[in-house]
Parts: sequence; structure tokens; C-alpha cells
Amino acid sequence: DGGITQSPKYLFRKEGQNVTLSCEQNLNHDAMYWYRQDPGQGLRLIYYSQIVNDFQKGDIAEGYSVSREKKESFPLTVTSAQKNPTAFYLCASSISAIPNQPQHFGDGTRLSIL
Amino acid sequence: AQSVTQLDSHVSVSEGTPVLLRCNYSSSYSPSLFWYVQHPNKGLQLLLKYTSAATLVKGINGFEAEFKKSETSFHLTKPSAHMSDAAEYFCVVGGLNAGNMLTFGGGTRLMVKP
Repeated sequence: DGGITQSPKYLFRKEGQNVTLSCEQNLNHDAMYWYRQDPGQGLRLIYYSQIVNDFQKGDIAEGYSVSREKKESFPLTVTSAQKNPTAFYLCASSISAIPNQPQHFGDGTRLSIL
Repeated sequence: AQSVTQLDSHVSVSEGTPVLLRCNYSSSYSPSLFWYVQHPNKGLQLLLKYTSAATLVKGINGFEAEFKKSETSFHLTKPSAHMSDAAEYFCVVGGLNAGNMLTFGGGTRLMVKP
């Protein structure tokens, strides 16, 4: 089955620690996205990538970093500079970066602070 | 600039009664519009999409939505609610910007009473 796999499902971070969230897709999609979701709120865009070896900041990129070395993979690192990292993180992809394409989502990673 | 307003943060219905989730959008052009559903601790699943082919759009699980340009609305309906419909629903606007970035509404939590 084609889809988006996010791991781990739950992640705990200590103060001052960087953590990396994995996102892998086998849909052969060019574009990939990372969102943050806080309780009772909509999704906010952290970073997106239109194609391999390219990525752009979204609305709330501070304290986060990404890479896109392979088409199928788009890992997100939450750095120690992100002071309020507790949230639900969602990865998504779309066939291309052409406007108005639907995005397909993984099942998310819930990050908490120890 | 574009925006999406979901008019109700919570909607409660009885099983077997109709569902109406309201969404208004603001856009300087005729956008693509989507409805997504999110069950607890899961990613978002695409219910339906409007891309100007027909104003009444049928989606999965018996849901449908009607695009009304004069009212800038895209309300989601279902004739008869099931317990399994209880979830969070997001109205989403597609952009014309490169990168296929989407604008999400704040979400409506649907509760279904037995």
C-alpha cells in the first residue's frame, strides 16, 4: 500500500536536546510538507519541499530544520532553540508543487517535553 | 491573501440526524477547496475536493459539499450521522502560490450522540 509513514508515533525530548522526526513516502510525490498542530487549533506550516535538494520556510520555521536528500524522505529536526516544542507533528505530500493539489497525510508524531 | 473560517468550533448531533458543518472562505480568485477529517491521534484524510468542475461535490462516507460563490461558502453535509463520524473536520483552501501551500480553517469538532 502506498502512503506516508511517520516515526516514532510518540517522542520525548529533554531540555537542550535536538530530536529528529522521520517522514517517508512511497507515493512518488515530488512535494512534501511539515505541519505543527496544537490542541484545538488548525495546522501551521513549518517547512515544505517542492523537489529533492530544495526546501523553503513556512510560517513557523524558527527552531526547526529539515533536509531533502531523497525524494521519499523529509526528516524534521526540532532543535533546542524551539522553546515550546510540545505538539502533534504531521507530515504530508502532494504529487507536485503545482497549486491546488490535495495533500496526503501521515498519522503524525506526538512530541512531549520531559 | 486568502482565509478560511469555520463558523462552529463544536457541533453536536444525534445519530441518524443530518450533519451541517459550515465553512466560509475569502479569496481573490476562484480557489480549490477541500474538506479533511481527522480522528484522534491520526493524520488528516481527504473527504472531498472542489476544483470548479461541479458546484456539488460528493465525497467519501456519504459526505458532500456545495460551493456557493455568491456566498463564498463551502458547507459540508451528510444526510444521516453515524457514530463513526465523530471527529475533527477541517475546511481548506488551495492557493495559487508556487509550492501548493494550503490554508486551513480552525476545525470543527463533530460529536455524535447515540
